[in-house]
Amino acid sequence: EIVLTQSPGTLSLSPGERATLSCRASQSVSGSYLAWYQQKPGQAPRLLIYVASSRATGIPDRFSGSGSGTDFTLTISRLEPEDFAVYYCQQYGSSPYSFGQGTNLEIK
Amino acid sequence: EVQLVESGGGLVQPGGSLRLSCAASGFPFSTYWMSWVRQAPGKGLEWVANIKYDGSEKNYVDSVRGRFIISRDNAKNSLYLQMNSLRVEDTAVYYCASNHWGWGQGTLVTVSS
Repeated sequence: EIVLTQSPGTLSLSPGERATLSCRASQSVSGSYLAWYQQKPGQAPRLLIYVASSRATGIPDRFSGSGSGTDFTLTISRLEPEDFAVYYCQQYGSSPYSFGQGTNLEIK
Repeated sequence: EVQLVESGGGLVQPGGSLRLSCAASGFPFSTYWMSWVRQAPGKGLEWVANIKYDGSEKNYVDSVRGRFIISRDNAKNSLYLQMNSLRVEDTAVYYCASNHWGWGQGTLVTVSS
């Protein structure tokens, strides 16, 4: 089973700043099948990125994903007020699929 | 427009059963793996089960193996989760999920006496 560790646990930034979120896997993620999700309170998770770097339909280009193997990154180039939320990574290259514990991106 | 719409959640007693359904539209459902994911109140995300596009392969998290059964009907663009021997710790919002197309809004399952 692949364990995903996200860092930091909480990230405090201001609108307009750049956010860098990390997701590290305990073993290589097959096919770079790594996704990123955004979740706001009371809402379902929203798919942002799949296969490590492909933006989902309708996702603004300020969101970008990168990485391969065991190290992956979600970057938000310039934070908008609506970007403050919890972000999860998920690997789906091998079963059982697994999620990271989440990064809480909060307004500074 | 991609849509995933879950139904079938509700209140059930421990030891009871429920069947969740997910109606998919707007993408080629029959060519993609699908999953169920759950989120207990105030907790993170937990993957529950997945199924190959043709239904020939299924996988489960250890905590539900032997109690839950995932299935699909590609002719109806539908995904299912049969949940038996439900436990209090199965209480969660259950999401139908595609790693390439997105998730549904979820359906709440509450297991309580």
